[in-house]
Amino acid sequence: SAVISQKPSRDICQRGTSLTIQCQVDSQVTMMFWYRQQPGQSLTLIATANQGSEATYESGFVIDKFPISRPNLTFSTLTVSNMSPEDSSIYLCSVDGLAGSDTQYFGPGTRLTVL
Amino acid sequence: SQQGEEDPQALSIQEGENATMNCSYKTSINNLQWYRQNSGRGLVHLILIRSNEREKHSGRLRVTLDTSKKSSSLLITASRAADTASYFCTTYNQGGKLIFGQGTELSVKP
Repeated sequence: SAVISQKPSRDICQRGTSLTIQCQVDSQVTMMFWYRQQPGQSLTLIATANQGSEATYESGFVIDKFPISRPNLTFSTLTVSNMSPEDSSIYLCSVDGLAGSDTQYFGPGTRLTVL
Repeated sequence: SQQGEEDPQALSIQEGENATMNCSYKTSINNLQWYRQNSGRGLVHLILIRSNEREKHSGRLRVTLDTSKKSSSLLITASRAADTASYFCTTYNQGGKLIFGQGTELSVKP
């Protein structure tokens, strides 16, 4: 399994500002994923981040709003830009398991509140 | 559309009782996975069952899979207050992305 950490664990931000969330994995992984979980809702995939290439965004999510970096095989960041109260959510990163495994492992999440 | 849908949406039981959650999905799968989420935190992987398996056990967890009905169930035996959490079933869609249902919110009262 992979051990994943996220920073910050929670934050309260003002409308119109941006927040960058960091995701660190204890081993090298090919694919990293970013999810959003709005209050009382399930998880929705925002984008897939591969090292050395542009992130692939799901329908309804755009790079200008959620820019992603993937500088190496153990680290990724997600920025939530020009925030509004509707961006208040838990943001989770996840990674693929070991080669041949279909399991994804999740970080502890970042709870974001936008005022 | 959601690939996995859990039922019931919420379940409240007493400690020591068994809890059963069901999940339905729409397309063919290679495997199905169950995750637990405690109080809005990260997800913990519980168990993976492959399409050629009908039942799998892990500690107090028992998962069944019926591919003819496109459904799965998660049974937690002898529940504890610490089992209070949201439980999600997940499958991969045709694009290889993990898709989550709405989850079952389990409350175990001491």
